[in-house]
Amino acid sequence: KAGVTQTPRYLIKTRGQQVTLSCSPISGHRSVSWYQQTPGQGLQFLFEYFSETQRNKGNFPGRFSGRQFSNSRSEMNVSTLELGDSALYLCASSWDTGELFFGEGSRLTVL
Amino acid sequence: DAKTTQPNSMESNEEEPVHLPCNHSTISGTDYIHWYRQLPSQGPEYVIHGLTSNVNNRMASLAIAEDRKSSTLILHRATLRDAAVYYCIRGPGASNFGNEKLTFGTGTRLTIIP
Repeated sequence: KAGVTQTPRYLIKTRGQQVTLSCSPISGHRSVSWYQQTPGQGLQFLFEYFSETQRNKGNFPGRFSGRQFSNSRSEMNVSTLELGDSALYLCASSWDTGELFFGEGSRLTVL
Repeated sequence: DAKTTQPNSMESNEEEPVHLPCNHSTISGTDYIHWYRQLPSQGPEYVIHGLTSNVNNRMASLAIAEDRKSSTLILHRATLRDAAVYYCIRGPGASNFGNEKLTFGTGTRLTIIP
């Protein structure tokens, strides 16, 4: 079956702009989580959605937001981009239990 | 707060067993131990998880100490494809996995020597 799909895979933005990243989970999975990965901080949890509701949120500023649609697809948005937002953004889906399935990520570069 | 402690890096020879340690001295009674690995240029992938007793699957074995304060991921016969960053994570069990923040930490970078 198809895996987790993230788009776009690569993007370049400038400071102050905003960006929207998309994640299509594995069919049947209702939970979608987002992570930020940087060389210095490793993998950090952003938020998790289940059935269109945010169930948990990490310690990121309000510039980071997300949502989930009725078909379980999810988007995350970062407004007023800063240089430090340059990172690999990973999406993971699960049915609701244990194993997380990750996408290949969206690599954001902020200039 | 990663809640687990792992060595930053390890090396192993190809076709030999690899033992990756993880310390989780403050683990609660209901926390599971999950292992994920991240191959270069890919998202993390699930390896194994367990609660108290040792666990085996086609990828690896997980040995959990009797006091549950530490565990060891065992790759029985390392191949070059096993070169990755391995993450040990404390987390809820299968029924409630999404309801807590998962802290991956920085993991152990495993290098396989041909």
